[in-house]
Amino acid sequence: KAGVTQTPRYLIKTRGQQVTLSCSPISGHRSVSWYQQTPGQGLQFLFEYFSETQRNKGNFPGRFSGRQFSNSRSEMNVSTLELGDSALYLCASSLVSLRQETQYFGPGTRLLVL
Amino acid sequence: AQTVTQSQPEMSVQEAETVTLSCTYDTSESDYYLFWYKQPPSRQMILVIRQEAYKQQNATENRFSVNFQKAAKSFSLKISDSQLGDAAMYFCAYRRRGAGSYQLTFGKGTKLSVIP
Repeated sequence: KAGVTQTPRYLIKTRGQQVTLSCSPISGHRSVSWYQQTPGQGLQFLFEYFSETQRNKGNFPGRFSGRQFSNSRSEMNVSTLELGDSALYLCASSLVSLRQETQYFGPGTRLLVL
Repeated sequence: AQTVTQSQPEMSVQEAETVTLSCTYDTSESDYYLFWYKQPPSRQMILVIRQEAYKQQNATENRFSVNFQKAAKSFSLKISDSQLGDAAMYFCAYRRRGAGSYQLTFGKGTKLSVIP
């Protein structure tokens, strides 16, 4: 079974631009979560989607948004990029059922904002 | 809010030796999961081991085992017979069990070096 895939793997943008990252979960997984990883703040939860609905959101500004499609694929969007948005963005998927709630991570998208 | 603390930013171990990574957490919940994830230089986050809080038995996965002390809110990872491929960042993570969210709370990580 294929793992979680994320595209693109690397991105370079300039301040003020917007960016869209994509995540395809493991087949059958309906929950998708996004995390931002930076050297200073570590791993921080952005949001989680389940069945096309956002279930939870972390403490990030409204410039960070996401959505989930009917096939469980998810996208996150960051508008008006700032230098501090440079980070590794990780996506994780999970099978939503009792005793099978472990999250599996994709390889990440490394975003550099210049 | 839940917090996860890893007090050892860096550790090293000789190949074939045993090393223990520490993790403490704070929560008012009684039902939750604890995880150890490994992140090698490739940055791919890999699940090492999972512990369910209601289970008293410590989880084991081959050379990896945990010491889960619920009352002390401690969750350490023991790596036996360390191998060069074990060199990575190790993150302890907490998640509340139950419907509503799969949000993970991570510690800051421990960088493990393996000395040949």
